[in-house]
Amino acid sequence: QSALTQPASVSGSPGQSITISCTGTSSDVGSYDLVSWYQQSPGKSPKVLIYEVTKRPSGVSDRYSGSKSGNTASLTISGLQAEDEADYYCCSYTGSGSLFGTGTTVTVL
Amino acid sequence: EVQLVQSGAEVKKPGESLKISCKGSGYSFTSYWIGWVRQMPGKGLEWMGIIYPGDSDTRYSPSFQGQVTISADKSISTAYLQWSSLKASDTAMYYCARLAASGGLLLFWGQGTLVTVSS
Repeated sequence: QSALTQPASVSGSPGQSITISCTGTSSDVGSYDLVSWYQQSPGKSPKVLIYEVTKRPSGVSDRYSGSKSGNTASLTISGLQAEDEADYYCCSYTGSGSLFGTGTTVTVL
Repeated sequence: EVQLVQSGAEVKKPGESLKISCKGSGYSFTSYWIGWVRQMPGKGLEWMGIIYPGDSDTRYSPSFQGQVTISADKSISTAYLQWSSLKASDTAMYYCARLAASGGLLLFWGQGTLVTVSS
């Protein structure tokens, strides 16, 4: 199993919106609406931002939103803030387990 | 409050064995899957496998099948990840996480255990 494909880095200015893509196959992202997104700040454990493609856990800012089309899922961060600088990972159910994406570093310019 | 507390950092030599732990509290330990995730230095997250402590049903990623063993002791609400013969390439941070009720979501995370394997 190969990791889901994400861009290595995405950057934006404060207040802008950015989108991170997560491309899998018809065996994972394309087959299940079970894509989640995690944020990991340096030295910290990952934190859930989005689950089941579009849902947000309580307490997560509505600036984070998720979507999916075919074999590609996306995470959009609106109104970019300095605190959004972190690594972001997608994760998809595969039928027999789960698979993470390669990870994306977000930089706020 | 759901909490997962992992055992402390380990420094081992190649060929040695190791078992790290993850103690769950604040929920019914036998009712939720627990997963393990590897993060090698400067690299991304890798899903290793999961265990259901209620009946010890275990699933492994093909990448980790045969390389590690996941187990649980429900009498003390603790899950384990173990190696029989460590390699330098096992050097990584290892996280445990409790899954949500369905869908495979890794909802609650431990603080991580750093394993260093060096001669």
